[in-house]
Amino acid sequence: EAGVAQSPRYKIIEKRQSVAFWCNPISGHATLYWYQQILGQGPKLLIQFQNNGVVDDSQLPKDRFSAERLKGVDSTLKIQPAKLEDSAVYLCASSLDGGYGVAFFGQGTRLTVV
Amino acid sequence: AQSVTQPDIHITVSEGASLELRCNYSYGATPYLFWYVQSPGQGLQLLLKYFSGDTLVQGIKGFEAEFKRSQSSFNLRKPSVHWSDAAEYFCAVGYAGAGNMLTFGGGTRLMVKP
Repeated sequence: EAGVAQSPRYKIIEKRQSVAFWCNPISGHATLYWYQQILGQGPKLLIQFQNNGVVDDSQLPKDRFSAERLKGVDSTLKIQPAKLEDSAVYLCASSLDGGYGVAFFGQGTRLTVV
Repeated sequence: AQSVTQPDIHITVSEGASLELRCNYSYGATPYLFWYVQSPGQGLQLLLKYFSGDTLVQGIKGFEAEFKRSQSSFNLRKPSVHWSDAAEYFCAVGYAGAGNMLTFGGGTRLMVKP
């Protein structure tokens, strides 16, 4: 079974630029999550989708972050404009059933904002 | 709001020695509890989970964890550590009705001495 795929693996941008990350969840997984992991900290949930609808985005900085999951499969997370404090690893995860399913994580995208 | 505390930021053990990583959570209802491991440059891999039933759960790679409701703890143990266990370990809490959104602790970095 293929895992959660993310791209790119690494990205370096200047502050105020924009960036987008892509995630392809495990086939058949209805629930998709984006987490932000700042160096030395545990992951923090940014947004959760159930199919193509948003379940929770309460911790997403909506003035600069946006995410979509068109057609209920792939998802894109965008940051515009980026700030230095956005430097982190962005992890995508998916689960078969959001209520009881275990979340499987991708390898993440490491973003460095300079 | 729920929170997860991993009191030990770093732990160093000798290969072959036993290991216990501490995790305490704060939440009113019965939580779902998880331990994930993250190797450098990798995503999070699930070690084990507790939903209900037997409070001692077995996981992969010889790990086990015990849920103690009275102490709000879910400590991870391994009787004999291998050099390949060196990684960062995260405890996480979810709860029914939250779509399996996880709150993570800050992590414990395990180093293994030869």
